[in-house]
Amino acid sequence: DQQVKQNSPSLSVQEGRISILNCDYTNSMFDYFLWYKKYPAEGPTFLISISSIKDKNEDGRFTVFLNKSAKHLSLHIVPSQPGDSAVYFCAASAASNYQLIWGAGTKLIIKP
Amino acid sequence: KAGVTQTPRYLIKTRGQQVTLSCSPISGHRSVSWYQQTPGQGLQFLFEYFSETQRNKGNFPGRFSGRQFSNSRSEMNVSTLELGDSALYLCASSPAAGSYNEQFFGPGTRLTVL
Repeated sequence: DQQVKQNSPSLSVQEGRISILNCDYTNSMFDYFLWYKKYPAEGPTFLISISSIKDKNEDGRFTVFLNKSAKHLSLHIVPSQPGDSAVYFCAASAASNYQLIWGAGTKLIIKP
Repeated sequence: KAGVTQTPRYLIKTRGQQVTLSCSPISGHRSVSWYQQTPGQGLQFLFEYFSETQRNKGNFPGRFSGRQFSNSRSEMNVSTLELGDSALYLCASSPAAGSYNEQFFGPGTRLTVL
């Protein structure tokens, strides 16, 4: 049973436009969410996080939105740049259990 | 500061063998977590060690075990290898325990079981 789902295996976006990556979760106990980015042959690197007490967190070109009622979060990248081409993972955690539960990832391709 | 290092980077084993993977965390980091990544799957949590103690364990069989040394370096062992154990094994370190903290990942060890 996948508790964290990234339903789009891949996404192609024009350079300079907005990239929107989506993530759904089923466990209402999750209260902390993170996005990681992964380049080939490298480990994931932390991008941005959000606590369940917030509905938005921004860091430069990256913004994460959390909709608790829909159990949905999204990562917005504006404007998209070629270096953003990578696999993006959504991960979630609950205070009662410090395991990070990961989605399967979305491969983002930025077209020039 | 040097990043997280994992050795070896690539490994080929046959069914029934056992394997030990090593992870050296960032200096000063006391928490080390291990993950398994298979094609099309997200990272599956194996276990987390903090100050030589296993804090948390994922849903993996007992063939998967680990330990952490006093210098925070960690090893993961898989016994009686199965074909399905072929995966990328990632190690991550953080200064404190718990997944709320940003984790710093190594490049992984690619294990192939034939």
